[in-house]
Amino acid sequence: DSGVTQTPKHLITATGQRVTLRCSPRSGDLSVYWYQQSLDQGLQFLIQYYNGEERAKGNILERFSAQQFPDLHSELNLSSLELGDSALYFCASSSRGGAVNTEAFFGQGTRLTVV
Amino acid sequence: QQQVKQSPQSLIVQKGGISIINCAYENTAFDYFPWYQQFPGKGPALLIAIRPDVSEKKEGRFTISFNKSAKQFSLHIMDSQPGDSATYFCAASSNDKIIFGKGTRLHILP
Repeated sequence: DSGVTQTPKHLITATGQRVTLRCSPRSGDLSVYWYQQSLDQGLQFLIQYYNGEERAKGNILERFSAQQFPDLHSELNLSSLELGDSALYFCASSSRGGAVNTEAFFGQGTRLTVV
Repeated sequence: QQQVKQSPQSLIVQKGGISIINCAYENTAFDYFPWYQQFPGKGPALLIAIRPDVSEKKEGRFTISFNKSAKQFSLHIMDSQPGDSATYFCAASSNDKIIFGKGTRLHILP
């Protein structure tokens, strides 16, 4: 168990809808990262937050947004969902600084299915 | 510039053998090279990582070899065990980005 908690584990929704994925980092970790894993694109870095502020941005679509709250948990919001958004979404956390190039611990993921 | 090429896509090794997975990157700004292990239904777990100031790092049965001039790095799993059967991802990272390889599905025959 990495100590990173993601909810829900599974989510099925229709095209055009909006969903929110939640992540609680390991105790004391200030950085939260979001990743998308799909069969065709592989594992892709979406966005990083460090102590409430956006720190780095990867291949995140404009329809997607994230935030990190004062208690350090994070939410990833996906809107106007398309079939191609079906994927595993992982959250990871890290205690070291604000950089992406550091050790991170992954949660077990949320499997999103858009129908 | 942003790709990390990983090979092979799949690998079958006899128990006790050496498993070797290779990765190549293009962007010389990358300065952190982790390997992740992922079991079905689980998130990736950091296995071992290296920074470009060393050419090799060993942790137990796992070794990373790093060739900075060739922009290549590889994972060696010595004395491979059935429990090592998983998908392995290499990655290359800089201060504000991380690019993953497509993954290698490793199967260790008992």
